[in-house]
Amino acid sequence: DQQVKQNSPSLSVQEGRISILNCDYTNSMFDYFLWYKKYPAEGPTFLISISSIKDKNEDGRFTVFLNKSAKHLSLHIVPSQPGDSAVYFCAASEGNYGQNFVFGPGTRLSVLP
Amino acid sequence: EAGVTQSPTHLIKTRGQQATLRCSPISGHTSVYWYQQALGLGLQFLLWYDEGEERNRGNFPPRFSGRQFPNYSSELNVNALELEDSALYLCASSPKFPGEANGYTFGSGTRLTVV
Repeated sequence: DQQVKQNSPSLSVQEGRISILNCDYTNSMFDYFLWYKKYPAEGPTFLISISSIKDKNEDGRFTVFLNKSAKHLSLHIVPSQPGDSAVYFCAASEGNYGQNFVFGPGTRLSVLP
Repeated sequence: EAGVTQSPTHLIKTRGQQATLRCSPISGHTSVYWYQQALGLGLQFLLWYDEGEERNRGNFPPRFSGRQFPNYSSELNVNALELEDSALYLCASSPKFPGEANGYTFGSGTRLTVV
């Protein structure tokens, strides 16, 4: 049973438009969430995080929104750039401890020029 | 600063054999984590080492084991390989215990293929 779900395996967006990547979780004890980005032949790299005391966190073009009641979070990329094309993983944990992270299966984002 | 390095990049083994994967963490990082990414699945937590000790393990059989050396590098051993062990194995390190996500740095992984 997947505790962290990313129901869209892939997403295509035009350059300059908004990309919205979604993530749902089932464990109500999760209180820390992260997004990682992965290019082919490289390891995942940390992108942005949010704790359950917030409902929004912004870093440049990247914004993560958290809806605790719906157990849903989303990553918005505005504007999308071709270099954003990668696989995006959502992860969740009880507490900000690396060993507890549960990762979703990932969404492959393609930003078309 | 060198990142997390993993070796080998690719490994092909026959079913029933043993595989050994290696990871060198970022200098100053004491925690090492191992994850498995099978095709179509997310990263599955395998093992966590800190200060030379196994701190936690995921839901994997005992034939998945490892160790951490005094220099904090780590080895993952997979015994009695099965076809479904074919996956990308990722190592990550963090600077302190407990690890903080922002300092959680991944290597590029070892692609293990079992034939």
